[in-house]
Amino acid sequence: GIQVEQSPPDLILQEGANSTLRCNFSDSVNNLQWFHQNPWGQLINLFYIPSGTKQNGRLSATTVATERYSLLYISSSQTTDSGVYFCAVKSQGNLIFGKGTKLSVKP
Amino acid sequence: KAGVTQTPRYLIKTRGQQVTLSCSPISGHRSVSWYQQTPGQGLQFLFEYFSETQRNKGNFPGRFSGRQFSNSRSEMNVSTLELGDSALYLCASSVGPTGGYFEQYFGPGTRLTVT
Repeated sequence: GIQVEQSPPDLILQEGANSTLRCNFSDSVNNLQWFHQNPWGQLINLFYIPSGTKQNGRLSATTVATERYSLLYISSSQTTDSGVYFCAVKSQGNLIFGKGTKLSVKP
Repeated sequence: KAGVTQTPRYLIKTRGQQVTLSCSPISGHRSVSWYQQTPGQGLQFLFEYFSETQRNKGNFPGRFSGRQFSNSRSEMNVSTLELGDSALYLCASSVGPTGGYFEQYFGPGTRLTVT
């Protein structure tokens, strides 16, 4: 089945710094979503981005489907950005998740 | 519009018991999927229902089952609980079946602890 790899696994930033999270996938996909999991476990939708570039405030994402990767950019990070970021792709119909990037933003 | 709701939020059960979890999708959404999240295995797909029919099933034993009602609400059941079933169970809904190009939205989850 399709493999999803996220990097880095852990990231520690000072408040105000920028970061780039990467998601590689092993096969063509119908779709791709980025999520932020808060400390209570809820998965918050960030982007639905099968291809192209989207921006939402300090966050933006780019998916290059032909090269099988997606990037999530966080600018001017805040402590509230802390948590785990997941990339998930759709293959045979269900979402397949990467192992996530755990982001810690220090004040 | 209200989001995906799951009940109960927390549950403690004993080995050998069974448990039923409930999920109400976003209004107008007809597809419901279930996922299990554990520290060791990460997020894994359990099954998907659309129009009361199971469309897709993950690699889990038959102790895990589910169903969907005519109002799109879904339940999942785990029988003969094992310690390894302790996990966060997440439900997601989408407008159509996940084979299509539909964004999935997740509920807050049910945290199950098996003792």
